[in-house]
Amino acid sequence: AQRVTQPEKLLSVFKGAPVELKCNYSYSGSPELFWYVQYSRQRLQLLLRHISRESIKGFTADLNKGETSFHLKKPFAQEEDSAMYYCAPLLLKFSGGYNKLIFGAGTRLAVHP
Amino acid sequence: EAGVTQFPSHSVIEKGQTVTLRCDPISGHDNLYWYRRVMGKEIKFLLHFVKESKQDESGMPNNRFLAERTGGTYSTLKVQPAELEDSGVYFCASSRALGAYGQFFGPGTRLTVL
Repeated sequence: AQRVTQPEKLLSVFKGAPVELKCNYSYSGSPELFWYVQYSRQRLQLLLRHISRESIKGFTADLNKGETSFHLKKPFAQEEDSAMYYCAPLLLKFSGGYNKLIFGAGTRLAVHP
Repeated sequence: EAGVTQFPSHSVIEKGQTVTLRCDPISGHDNLYWYRRVMGKEIKFLLHFVKESKQDESGMPNNRFLAERTGGTYSTLKVQPAELEDSGVYFCASSRALGAYGQFFGPGTRLTVL
């Protein structure tokens, strides 16, 4: 069965420290992977798509197929990064199949001044 | 462009009652999804519409849940009769296309069944 593991419920760091939010997945095939973020009192927002290989708000994520991981990293955390972060592989089958996100439990990032 | 909207933002009902949640997707998005998070659990997929057709309803928990998308625009999710375990946050999302473009979420409806 497809599964996403985010091992840390809470990650607490000081401003300026590096951050790594871990995500491991089990999925047969080549998944599309996303990171979503939910700031306090806001909706879930798409943060990163692995296919874009982009850096958003200083965050990057590298897909490691060997380790089946998609960890989210930022070299210098800011207080405004405090939020709930969700790793979400996409189960995709074109042609009458499915297109659904599988969410991890989420990691709460708390950045202290 | 306006984002995904959901109504109501909160709903408190008693066990056995009926509740209908509404979702308006981003204009032009043919794909509409429902997800939910019940207390202490992960966000789980419920179903996916392509225009007015149900593409995948594998996540619907039981036949007390009925989703519709008449005309391929807004969608409703009805729970009848509601049970205590239905309490949680129901999210709607939409996307223009399938795949790696991502899905855009509404603010959610918090449902409390007493």
